[in-house]
Amino acid sequence: GEDVEQSLFLSVREGDSSVINCTYTDSSSTYLYWYKQEPGAGLQLLTYIFSNMDMKQDQRLTVLLNKKDKHLSLRIADTQTGDSAIYFCAEDQASTGNQFYFGTGTSLTVIP
Amino acid sequence: DTGVSQNPRHKITKRGQNVTFRCDPISEHNRLYWYRQTLGQGPEFLTYFQNEAQLEKSRLLSDRFSAERPKGSFSTLEIQRTEQGDSAMYLCASSRGAYNEQFFGPGTRLTVL
Repeated sequence: GEDVEQSLFLSVREGDSSVINCTYTDSSSTYLYWYKQEPGAGLQLLTYIFSNMDMKQDQRLTVLLNKKDKHLSLRIADTQTGDSAIYFCAEDQASTGNQFYFGTGTSLTVIP
Repeated sequence: DTGVSQNPRHKITKRGQNVTFRCDPISEHNRLYWYRQTLGQGPEFLTYFQNEAQLEKSRLLSDRFSAERPKGSFSTLEIQRTEQGDSAMYLCASSRGAYNEQFFGPGTRLTVL
């Protein structure tokens, strides 16, 4: 919604790193999020980053934020088959009264 | 903490009928969100409550949709005169705190025939 854009598909080999990219729209967004959705399961928050940060690391996950370009990325180190899922970025748009906008999702396939 | 629950999990209805869904958030979460998700898309924001007050509503939301959260706890989403285009998964999420970590329920899948 509201033009939060992601590439649709990504395929990587087990053990490699995955990088999922997102372009968001609202420069006043306070927080940006990454969610994971496995088949038949609900959305699960993976991590978030505050807008005044450039990077956040959480175990195998690294989030990079480029505010100038409104670009967010999620790097998954040592990707495992259990990481196969759809990944959504989301922004908490302060300019629309904190309406929450998700991207279209990136389907990650991990090849054994 | 039992998580966010939604009922029913599935609903099949005929076009023109009214349907109502319920969401029970995590207790003490003051914010509650409704989303709609169709196949191949991300969740689409519908509306948002802080306690019992409905603070925001998507400008794309038809007047046939209404939501309530009467005592600041559970919420209901009603769709009047359903149309086939309303077929989707309806998701509820709740949160509290500054960074608004939203916990999602399993969703209600609506099929309009």
